[in-house]
Amino acid sequence: AQKITQTQPGMFVQEKEAVTLDCTYDTSDPSYGLFWYKQPSSGEMIFLIYQGSYDQQNATEGRYSLNFQKARKSANLVISASQLGDSAMYFCAMRDRDNFNKFYFGSGTKLNVKP
Amino acid sequence: DAGVTQSPTHLIKTRGQQVTLRCSPKSGHDTVSWYQQALGQGPQFIFQYYEEEERQRGNFPDRFSGHQFPNYSSELNVNALLLGDSALYLCASSLRQGIHEQYFGPGTRLTVT
Repeated sequence: AQKITQTQPGMFVQEKEAVTLDCTYDTSDPSYGLFWYKQPSSGEMIFLIYQGSYDQQNATEGRYSLNFQKARKSANLVISASQLGDSAMYFCAMRDRDNFNKFYFGSGTKLNVKP
Repeated sequence: DAGVTQSPTHLIKTRGQQVTLRCSPKSGHDTVSWYQQALGQGPQFIFQYYEEEERQRGNFPDRFSGHQFPNYSSELNVNALLLGDSALYLCASSLRQGIHEQYFGPGTRLTVT
């Protein structure tokens, strides 16, 4: 079965500093896709970054990067130079092995950026 | 280019009632998935529609049903509402052959009293 685990219910970071949000996953499929979404208080899930299991390099999108450690089954999100607008819930997700449009989500991490 | 839209934004119902939530996918998308997000939890997959048929279903009772229209928009119906159905209901759209991210709507906040 595919499963996502996020063990940090809440995190604090000082503005302009970097922060790492943890995500571990469980799957027996050699091919999989991992995603990070941001959910502000408004509720909409905003796509941040994607990592494929066969990608040779860690994914990066602007201030977001993914620290992908395949052997440890971890896909941590790194946000550099935190901004006040980064305060939100962050969810790690994995795509279903047979249905690319079905996602499994973790329980999320609430990030608070302090001025 | 309009993204995924959902209506209504908020809804309050009483136990035993029925509710219908609506979703319009992002332009060009043909697949709609519905998720339930209880307070403090991650979204849980309810079901998915493609070509006007339910293609896959998560672990939700038959009280949850849906429909997809020829224009790809979709409805989620919940019958005999329970207090535990209170949640944020998210609609996500994508391309059936897509391999990357789904686009999510802002959600409908359902409160059952």
